[in-house]
Amino acid sequence: GDSVTQMEGPVTLSEEAFLTINCTYTATGYPSLFWYVQYPGEGLQLLLKATKADDKGSNKGFEATYRKETTSFHLEKGSVQVSDSAVYFCALITDAGGTSYGKLTFGQGTILTVHP
Amino acid sequence: EAGVAQSPRYKIIEKRQSVAFWCNPISGHATLYWYQQILGQGPKLLIQFQNNGVVDDSQLPKDRFSAERLKGVDSTLKIQPAKLEDSAVYLCASSWIYRGRSSYNEQFFGPGTRLTVL
Repeated sequence: GDSVTQMEGPVTLSEEAFLTINCTYTATGYPSLFWYVQYPGEGLQLLLKATKADDKGSNKGFEATYRKETTSFHLEKGSVQVSDSAVYFCALITDAGGTSYGKLTFGQGTILTVHP
Repeated sequence: EAGVAQSPRYKIIEKRQSVAFWCNPISGHATLYWYQQILGQGPKLLIQFQNNGVVDDSQLPKDRFSAERLKGVDSTLKIQPAKLEDSAVYLCASSWIYRGRSSYNEQFFGPGTRLTVL
């Protein structure tokens, strides 16, 4: 079955530091890949997505590139802010020949804390 | 546009009791999902509705969990009887009808209901 593995957390950084959160996946079909973010006390929000190999998703200074050869979708940001403190989830959907119904498979989440 | 609404936000019960959660999706969204998020893990899909029909309930523990979506709008998830391992956050999400990769429809999540079973 499909699965997503994220780097072990939590991650603690100082403001303006460079961020990388690793994500690798296994999928039976050709997945679309996502990063979701969960701020304290709020629901999950889509941060960025990529639907085919070599696509780069970006939003709010975050980027991730769909690497089919390494089955990876690492999240990066050049300069983090205190307001980026949240839990980040990597996820995928596999399109099973057009019959998929949009089931998201999530990684376990990575807690990011950014200090001033 | 109003988001996905869930209630209650928090619930504490004793094992073997019953509990119900309610979700009202974004207006017009045909697809509704219930996820279970255990502490330290990512959300896991329990059940997915398209309008008022079930399209995936393969990971729903049907001996104790049930869900319905009458009239294809709001939905209720019930646990009866609850076990200690049911302690989790229950997330509801909704989207337009999913039609495959070429038209992925973003899932919008509610704030969740945190259930504690003692």
